[in-house]
Amino acid sequence: DAKTTQPTSMDCAEGRAANLPCNHSTISGNEYVYWYRQIHSQGPQYIIHGLKNNETNEMASLIITEDRKSSTLILPHATLRDTAVYYCIAFAGGTSYGKLTFGQGTILTVHP
Amino acid sequence: NAGVTQTPKFQVLKTGQSMTLQCAQDMNHEYMSWYRQDPGMGLRLIHYSVGAGITDQGEVPNGYNVSRSTTEDFPLRLLSAAPSQTSVYFCASSRPGRANEQFFGPGTRLTVL
Repeated sequence: DAKTTQPTSMDCAEGRAANLPCNHSTISGNEYVYWYRQIHSQGPQYIIHGLKNNETNEMASLIITEDRKSSTLILPHATLRDTAVYYCIAFAGGTSYGKLTFGQGTILTVHP
Repeated sequence: NAGVTQTPKFQVLKTGQSMTLQCAQDMNHEYMSWYRQDPGMGLRLIHYSVGAGITDQGEVPNGYNVSRSTTEDFPLRLLSAAPSQTSVYFCASSRPGRANEQFFGPGTRLTVL
């Protein structure tokens, strides 16, 4: 699995977009980028994933650079309930079961 | 749907005791996994199963046993608890085609004295 690097912490004002970066410069062609989050004392929650193209769902958008060496998770209108640890994971899972490895993640704090 | 349920929520054991952490899902998911989360370590995969009757080891399997006799249930057994197994344990499930969009349970907080 490709190593990912994320900032330790970030702040965001409520109602503004939260942009969470992730560096995965050693990612290989068959490795996907997955994002999960973990709200305090709860189990992790799947957010979104992508391979090459930008992706959007009801929770967030994922922007992957053309060279695939980095990506950004965008929460378009952050709320206080989005305060959580966000994990970026790069691995060759796709539709086949893979062993997710969660690193340290980014602590996102959304302020009123 | 209840999703992924785990029991108990909290447990205190003495060193050497055995116990089973229960995990059940009602989404008819083929894949199930057990993770542990320790401060500063992120989540680490203990064991996983890709279907009833099939289990395999993850990153940190020592000291734990699993079995998968039904699609719904995936219990984790600690045969002889050790203080190093003090952790928060999460169970997760997913379905074929979306195998890595895993649904996690609320966790079991285990303390071994």
